[in-house]
Amino acid sequence: GNSVTQMEGPVTLSEEAFLTINCTYTATGYPSLFWYVQYPGEGLQLLLKATKADDKGSNKGFEATYRKETTSFHLEKGSVQVSDSAVYFCALNQAGTALIFGKGTTLSVSS
Amino acid sequence: NAGVTQTPKFQVLKTGQSMTLQCAQDMNHEYMSWYRQDPGMGLRLIHYSVGAGITDQGEVPNGYNVSRSTTEDFPLRLLSAAPSQTSVYFCASSFTGQGQPQHFGDGTRLSIL
Repeated sequence: GNSVTQMEGPVTLSEEAFLTINCTYTATGYPSLFWYVQYPGEGLQLLLKATKADDKGSNKGFEATYRKETTSFHLEKGSVQVSDSAVYFCALNQAGTALIFGKGTTLSVSS
Repeated sequence: NAGVTQTPKFQVLKTGQSMTLQCAQDMNHEYMSWYRQDPGMGLRLIHYSVGAGITDQGEVPNGYNVSRSTTEDFPLRLLSAAPSQTSVYFCASSFTGQGQPQHFGDGTRLSIL
């Protein structure tokens, strides 16, 4: 079946550091890939998405590229801020139905 | 635009009690779903619906019922609450096309004593 594996957290960084959160997936066909962010006490918000191989999703300085050859969708940001502290979820779906989530990665950024 | 609205935000129940978690969306989305979020487990799908009158089970459906009488509403019912159902519950909705992102409510934090 389809699945998503993302790196274990927590990830602790200093402000302005470079961020990478790894995400790999298992799926048949061509799923759509997403990164969601959850701030404390809130629901999940879409951060970015990609719907086909080699697509790059980007938003708020975050980027991720859909790599079919390595079945990966790693999240990156060049310079993190304290306000980026949150839980990040990688997810996939096919045919517009249920999202399958990774277990989430907690990011803490200190000033 | 309200988006996805969940009520209540917090609830404490005793074992064996029943309750309904409400979810409403105003975006005319066909697809709606319920997830539970537990520490270290990510989000797991409970039930979902692809349109009014159509529902189906997800990964962890036991102990929960749903119905979809209108496009807007998708309530989740706990018939006899158990401590294992202590969790944070999220409702989400989307259009059904490929790549359509799901929109989430703010969640209901449920504790079963």
